[in-house]
Amino acid sequence: AQSVTQLGSHVSVSEGALVLLRCNYSSSVPPYLFWYVQYPNQGLQLLLKYTTGATLVKGINGFEAEFKKSETSFHLTKPSAHMSDAAEYFCAVMTDTGGFKTIFGAGTRLFVKA
Amino acid sequence: GAGVSQSPSNKVTEKGKDVELRCDPISGHTALYWYRQSLGQGLEFLIYFQGNSAPDKSGLPSDRFSAERTGGSVSTLTIQRTQQEDSAVYLCASSLSGQVGNEQFFGPGTRLTVL
Repeated sequence: AQSVTQLGSHVSVSEGALVLLRCNYSSSVPPYLFWYVQYPNQGLQLLLKYTTGATLVKGINGFEAEFKKSETSFHLTKPSAHMSDAAEYFCAVMTDTGGFKTIFGAGTRLFVKA
Repeated sequence: GAGVSQSPSNKVTEKGKDVELRCDPISGHTALYWYRQSLGQGLEFLIYFQGNSAPDKSGLPSDRFSAERTGGSVSTLTIQRTQQEDSAVYLCASSLSGQVGNEQFFGPGTRLTVL
């Protein structure tokens, strides 16, 4: 069965600093990987996804993530944090075995300090 | 409609009562998902519908939980004999199909409080 682990329930960075949110997955078959973001008092929205092809994936708002099979990781990065990036970020995995349900990580809340 | 809608947005109920939560997916989306989001925890998968196939109910936490999807569109999640631990935000999402890699579009959620 697949699973997702997000390291760090809370991450705090200064405005302009690098953002790194960690995600590791477990899957016996090639996974499809997603990052979703939930801004305060809003619903979840897709930030980026990896299905096949290029392992470095670019998303909205300057975020990107790299699929590293050897490390079973899909970490989310942004070179320079902005105050508006403060939100909760969820990593998720989906595989095409046993149905198409998506398994989400516990989430990482990002705080951005001025 | 433009997006996934859910009703009610908030529901307060007494322990032991039954509740029904409604989800209206994006028109044309054949896949529909229910999740539960508890404070400090991630999204917990509950149930998945894809077209006319039998739903994947593997995430339902107990037999007090059930869901149906009528006509391949609107879905209702029912919780019988609610308990305080059922308090959470219940999220519904839909996607164009159940194919892997398809983005899920989430509704705003229903915040359930069981007193």
